[in-house]
Amino acid sequence: GEDVEQSLFLSVREGDSSVINCTYTDSSSTYLYWYKQEPGAGLQLLTYIFSNMDMKQDQRLTVLLNKKDKHLSLRIADTQTGDSAIYFCAEILGNSGYALNFGKGTSLLVTP
Amino acid sequence: SAVISQKPSRDICQRGTSLTIQCQVDSQVTMMFWYRQQPGQSLTLIATANQGSEATYESGFVIDKFPISRPNLTFSTLTVSNMSPEDSSIYLCSVREVVGLGQSDTQYFGPGTRLTVL
Repeated sequence: GEDVEQSLFLSVREGDSSVINCTYTDSSSTYLYWYKQEPGAGLQLLTYIFSNMDMKQDQRLTVLLNKKDKHLSLRIADTQTGDSAIYFCAEILGNSGYALNFGKGTSLLVTP
Repeated sequence: SAVISQKPSRDICQRGTSLTIQCQVDSQVTMMFWYRQQPGQSLTLIATANQGSEATYESGFVIDKFPISRPNLTFSTLTVSNMSPEDSSIYLCSVREVVGLGQSDTQYFGPGTRLTVL
């Protein structure tokens, strides 16, 4: 598929908020997803948002969706060192039967 | 959410050999997918494996190189054939889980199989 764009690297101080941005490609994607991958581990589904919503909040996580600009963001409040990982946004891959098209991932480093 | 296991978790193989990766799910699922994650890269879809039909491969992936079986609703295998060092990657299976009508449509991933080809 086409490229889902993400910035590659983000560094924040512990306790600050982190905002990870993503630009997706398929405006017909019914859902959009955020996954977390810790070093040497598999992919953990963090959260997702239905395309008819603008915002979804789940504890420390807030997802914002701007369909007009095809822009998705993930805000992590009170970021902790355990949040250090790679974060992938993903859209449903068109014509694939619901497989996912992933961005390249944003590596989040949380420093004490 | 579905619990997915993969075997082996990692392997080191010689060039020219083949490796079969197993994916087991704790519930019956229709849609399963196989992805590859090359070192330092994102995930790329290899194929969709639905029970009762032939696997559908993405551009750049062929059945002779990556044969897939899907014998029932809880199990699938991916074989990496005639391996070369370029096949060194993490291979992940995933399943689609749908709840209700529009309530949620999510995908869960197995832990991955880390393959190194010498």
